[in-house]
Amino acid sequence: GAGVSQSPRYKVTKRGQDVALRCDPISGHVSLYWYRQALGQGPEFLTYFNYEAQQDKSGLPNDRFSAERPEGSISTLTIQRTEQRDSAMYRCASSLPRGKRGQETQYFGPGTRLLVL
Amino acid sequence: RKEVEQDPGPFNVPEGATVAFNCTYSNSASQSFFWYRQDCRKEPKLLMSVYSSGNEDGRFTAQLNRASQYISLLIRDSKLSDSATYLCVVNEVMNYGGATNKLIFGTGTLLAVQP
Repeated sequence: GAGVSQSPRYKVTKRGQDVALRCDPISGHVSLYWYRQALGQGPEFLTYFNYEAQQDKSGLPNDRFSAERPEGSISTLTIQRTEQRDSAMYRCASSLPRGKRGQETQYFGPGTRLLVL
Repeated sequence: RKEVEQDPGPFNVPEGATVAFNCTYSNSASQSFFWYRQDCRKEPKLLMSVYSSGNEDGRFTAQLNRASQYISLLIRDSKLSDSATYLCVVNEVMNYGGATNKLIFGTGTLLAVQP
């Protein structure tokens, strides 16, 4: 079946512009996660949702970062007034809810490579 | 101190060799442990979960030592296709001791299997 999809795959923007990154999870996966991965590092947690509820946003670096999942499916990560230090690979993952067999497996999407000039 | 620490490598080994990676974690209350594999320019994928009793999947064996707070991955009879970055991963633990779905990743260990 279809995996996690993300769009755009690449985004180049100028400093100060807003960007919106989209994630479409695997069908039936109610848990959705956003991570940021710098070159040579492992993914770093940003936030996650169960259905439409944002359960944990402790990893969002500052208030320029926000995420939503209004209908419990597709999610958008928005970065306002982008800065050069925001340049990274932004990855989305989805999983079954806790309590379901196999819930520990998070399936990652291909990521959006963001470059802020 | 990082929550999950790994030797970044690279580990350069010949085909057929046995190679072992270790990882340490800082939170003694952590409950769930995993190894993910990440190929160059690709997304991370679950390789195997790590259980207290140790577990094996073909050429791969994972071990957990709770007393020392380290996790290991052993790869026997290395193949060229095993070349990748291996990420050690731990579930975050809440203040009351419950696990979350929030994963903490190490920096990854790069393995290069040479022909």
